[in-house]
Amino acid sequence: AQTVTQSQPEMSVQEAETVTLSCTYDTSESNYYLFWYKQPPSRQMILVIRQEAYKQQNATENRFSVNFQKAAKSFSLKISDSQLGDTAMYFCAFGTASKLTFGTGTRLQVTL
Amino acid sequence: ETGVTQSPTHLIKTRGQQVTLRCSSQSGHNTVSWYQQALGQGPQFIFQYYREEENGRGNFPPRFSGLQFPNYSSELNVNALELDDSALYLCASSLSLGDAAEAFFGQGTRLTVV
Repeated sequence: AQTVTQSQPEMSVQEAETVTLSCTYDTSESNYYLFWYKQPPSRQMILVIRQEAYKQQNATENRFSVNFQKAAKSFSLKISDSQLGDTAMYFCAFGTASKLTFGTGTRLQVTL
Repeated sequence: ETGVTQSPTHLIKTRGQQVTLRCSSQSGHNTVSWYQQALGQGPQFIFQYYREEENGRGNFPPRFSGLQFPNYSSELNVNALELDDSALYLCASSLSLGDAAEAFFGQGTRLTVV
């Protein structure tokens, strides 16, 4: 069974600053995906970024980037130039065969 | 806009009752997964349907059951509701089985059991 651990229940960052959210996972699978999802108060899960485990290059999507350390089973999310609209719950997730295993989430608050 | 729609958005039921939640998958998606998200927690996988057959189940009792229809829409049924069943229920659809990279979520159904 896979497990996903997010050790930061809450984080705060000032607008325009950079913040890094941590995630570790455990699995015996060799082929999988890793994801960061954002869940605003509207409740809808929004995909922020994904990483294929077989790719060594870290994924980037505009202001969002990951630091994927496969041997350490670590998958952190860096948000650059934070914006007020980034305020939300962020979930790290492990995916295989369409099934997702989520962490407990990190609540990110972006302040002025 | 993902195209996955769930109904109803909110629901209040009494302990012991039965409930049916509905999900319309995104056009062309033949795989639907259901998740339960308790307050303050991450979503937990309930089960998955692929072309009308159950394909994988999480650690949930048999009173949680589902269906997938020929148009790939899906239902989640919960019998003998318990207070702990109060949660946000999320549906996610994928283009095909094994396509974990392309799961799109609906807005969820908030179920409250009193």
